[in-house]
Amino acid sequence: AQSVTQLGSHVSVSEGALVLLRCNYSSSVPPYLFWYVQYPNQGLQLLLKYTSAATLVKGINGFEAEFKKSETSFHLTKPSAHMSDAAEYFCAVSGGSAGNTPLVFGKGTRLSVIA
Amino acid sequence: DAMVIQNPRYQVTQFGKPVTLSCSQTLNHNVMYWYQQKSSQAPKLLFHYYDKDFNNEADTPDNFQSRRPNTSFCFLDIRSPGLGDAAMYLCATSRVSTGGWAFFGQGTRLTVV
Repeated sequence: AQSVTQLGSHVSVSEGALVLLRCNYSSSVPPYLFWYVQYPNQGLQLLLKYTSAATLVKGINGFEAEFKKSETSFHLTKPSAHMSDAAEYFCAVSGGSAGNTPLVFGKGTRLSVIA
Repeated sequence: DAMVIQNPRYQVTQFGKPVTLSCSQTLNHNVMYWYQQKSSQAPKLLFHYYDKDFNNEADTPDNFQSRRPNTSFCFLDIRSPGLGDAAMYLCATSRVSTGGWAFFGQGTRLTVV
């Protein structure tokens, strides 16, 4: 079984500051890990994914995440926050190459960006 | 250019009146999912199809049904909506070889009055 825990339901940063959203996973098989972003009344958009290749994954909109097996973490970062980054962010895990396993989502972290 | 399309975007239904939400995809993915997302919560998987094989989550209420007549379309039927069923319903698709990487539609916001 897979699960993810997102630390912090709400994170607030100043415009231009570092963004760090935390995600820890639990998986009985080598996981695939994902970060999705959701704007109000919209669906989920994939930011980036880890699928057992490079441990440092670059995504859209300047975001990146690093897979650390020793820490069972997949934290999302962005060097400089922009007002347009304000949204809900979800970390998700699947059973990876084990096959047809739906995504399991964390509870989400709401990012606020202060001007 | 839209790949997973949900209709309608907003649906208002009366308490107890059956309602159907639809999802179509142009990606030719073999897996389709329905998630329910209540306000300020994570998406919760209701069921998914692997081709025509239907997989129901253990805690999905019997009030929720689904149909997948072909690869491109999937429907969510709520037989007798209650106030607690008001939520965003998200359809997603994936290819089984990609290990769960899912593409989401824009969602349908369901209001029950």
